[in-house]
Amino acid sequence: GNSVTQMEGPVTLSEEAFLTINCTYTATGYPSLFWYVQYPGEGLQLLLKATKADDKGSNKGFEATYRKETTSFHLEKGSVQVSDSAVYFCALSDRGATNKLIFGTGTLLAVQP
Amino acid sequence: DAEITQSPRHKITETGRQVTLACHQTWNHNNMFWYRQDLGHGLRLIHYSYGVQDTNKGEVSDGYSVSRSNTEDLPLTLESAASSQTSVYFCASSETTGAPQETQYFGPGTRLLVL
Repeated sequence: GNSVTQMEGPVTLSEEAFLTINCTYTATGYPSLFWYVQYPGEGLQLLLKATKADDKGSNKGFEATYRKETTSFHLEKGSVQVSDSAVYFCALSDRGATNKLIFGTGTLLAVQP
Repeated sequence: DAEITQSPRHKITETGRQVTLACHQTWNHNNMFWYRQDLGHGLRLIHYSYGVQDTNKGEVSDGYSVSRSNTEDLPLTLESAASSQTSVYFCASSETTGAPQETQYFGPGTRLLVL
């Protein structure tokens, strides 16, 4: 079945450091891919998404590229801020099932000043 | 502004009791979802609905039920609460275009403790 695997956390970085959170997926066909972010005490909110191979999603300085050949959707940011501290979830939506999301386990990011 | 709300935000109950968690959205979305969030598992789908009178089981539906009598609400009922159902529960909704890339909008969550 479809699944998402993302790197274990927590990830601890200093402010202005470069961030990469790895995400790989297993799916039949061509899923849409998402990164959601959960700030402390809140629900999830969409950070970015990509719907086909080689698409790049971007938002708030974060980027992720849909790589079909490596079945990956790694999240990157060039310079993190303390306010980026949150849990990040990679997810996929199978084209065969209307809008159902399959999530990875989440990666906690802690940015220190 | 349109929003999605959940109540209560925190709930403590005892094993064996019936518990209902409310979810209300003003986006006028047909799609609604219930997830539970547990450490090491991420979010797992409990039940979902594509419209009034439609309900479907997700991957962890045992011990839970939902009903959809209108567009705005999808209450989640724990028939007989168990300690294994201690979790954080999130409701979400999305538009009904049929496209898999539609954004899901999440509520703030309900933290449930079953003693």
